[in-house]
Amino acid sequence: GEDVEQSLFLSVREGDSSVINCTYTDSSSTYLYWYKQEPGAGLQLLTYIFSNMDMKQDQRLTVLLNKKDKHLSLRIADTQTGDSAIYFCAETYTGGFKTIFGAGTRLFVKA
Amino acid sequence: KAGVTQTPRYLIKTRGQQVTLSCSPISGHRSVSWYQQTPGQGLQFLFEYFSETQRNKGNFPGRFSGRQFSNSRSEMNVSTLELGDSALYLCASYPDQANYGYTFGSGTRLTVV
Repeated sequence: GEDVEQSLFLSVREGDSSVINCTYTDSSSTYLYWYKQEPGAGLQLLTYIFSNMDMKQDQRLTVLLNKKDKHLSLRIADTQTGDSAIYFCAETYTGGFKTIFGAGTRLFVKA
Repeated sequence: KAGVTQTPRYLIKTRGQQVTLSCSPISGHRSVSWYQQTPGQGLQFLFEYFSETQRNKGNFPGRFSGRQFSNSRSEMNVSTLELGDSALYLCASYPDQANYGYTFGSGTRLTVV
């Protein structure tokens, strides 16, 4: 089936690391993504990972994929107030022509 | 290069009316997907177009329709508007398949009163 689950809220202090978690149910998914949405805006692609990878790092962002547990996480190092936003986990199936999104995790960064 | 452009940004309509939303994808992108975003339901897939053909459709009533033109621009139409259609409608474009992720527009905020 198609389902992507995320916790709804996360609050961290500025300078700390944030870890946002996601679980997905369809093992046939091929690409997994993290998007960021700021108020009044569309979604911005942060990073993606192919399902045969375990980890991907891009500057302050680290994505970890545990395919056995169908668990995806996004770690933001040195979290800043500008990182406050909603973060969406998403998955796409090869040839499926559709991307499924989680409900989003609202990240609050306290100064 | 220019991003994904959605027009209008904001729209207020009355129940029973119809509405047409427009999306211009990034130049060179031939695929467009539409999503409805609401606080209660999150992002729900509406439909996906590639080269003027609908490749996939979500679970929305027939009041929701769309099309894509030869220049890859897309429109979606909602007829007989209901209060529950109030939402942010997001369009995303990509070259062919969405393997490397979408580029989203800023959305059209539709309010039905």
